[in-house]
Amino acid sequence: QQPVQSPQAVILREGEDAVINCSSSKALYSVHWYRQKHGEAPVFLMILLKGGEQKGHDKISASFNEKKQQSSLYLTASQLSYSGTYFCGSFSGNTPLVFGKGTRLSVIA
Amino acid sequence: NAGVTQTPKFRVLKTGQSMTLLCAQDMNHEYMYWYRQDPGMGLRLIHYSVGEGTTAKGEVPDGYNVSRLKKQNFLLGLESAAPSQTSVYFCASSYPPTSSEQYFGPGTRLTVT
Repeated sequence: QQPVQSPQAVILREGEDAVINCSSSKALYSVHWYRQKHGEAPVFLMILLKGGEQKGHDKISASFNEKKQQSSLYLTASQLSYSGTYFCGSFSGNTPLVFGKGTRLSVIA
Repeated sequence: NAGVTQTPKFRVLKTGQSMTLLCAQDMNHEYMYWYRQDPGMGLRLIHYSVGEGTTAKGEVPDGYNVSRLKKQNFLLGLESAAPSQTSVYFCASSYPPTSSEQYFGPGTRLTVT
């Protein structure tokens, strides 16, 4: 079953913050985050393993609440280069990674 | 290091024709995947392989076949193309997915008329 992402789309001005949520109905071992720019392949951002850890990459960070089977991606002080579609992938251990439908993020000047 | 490569990049087929998409990786990954991406649907797994000589079905396997005769190659076949198979196809590879990222190829845009 696909994880559910919200919101489906968001428009930000440069410097604003955003949160993208990902929730699953299945118990999760890990959550993966990818970003895809238009016309390109998805690119890996980060993996969060169960244990409630938080990870960061530049001004993009994420958290994982295994009890709630939810993960959130935080984009701080957004830049034009953050525009793209963000996908979360849920891994339950028995089946391959399942991706959500994506969240389209547009950052405008 | 070329990473993950896919051929061809673009293809137009007529309904009923067949074709094979080739994926190659040079990272010695055990796991390889084929996805299709349609607007608003995200990435949906067609088939995957956990090692040379093994394949398994993903979420949307109907109408496709795969083979993994060599560790570095993963082939996706369409025996009788249908307009519903018009999509962008991505191949990816990884180490065991528990804590490993997937590396994606550049994609193949397929149109079936």
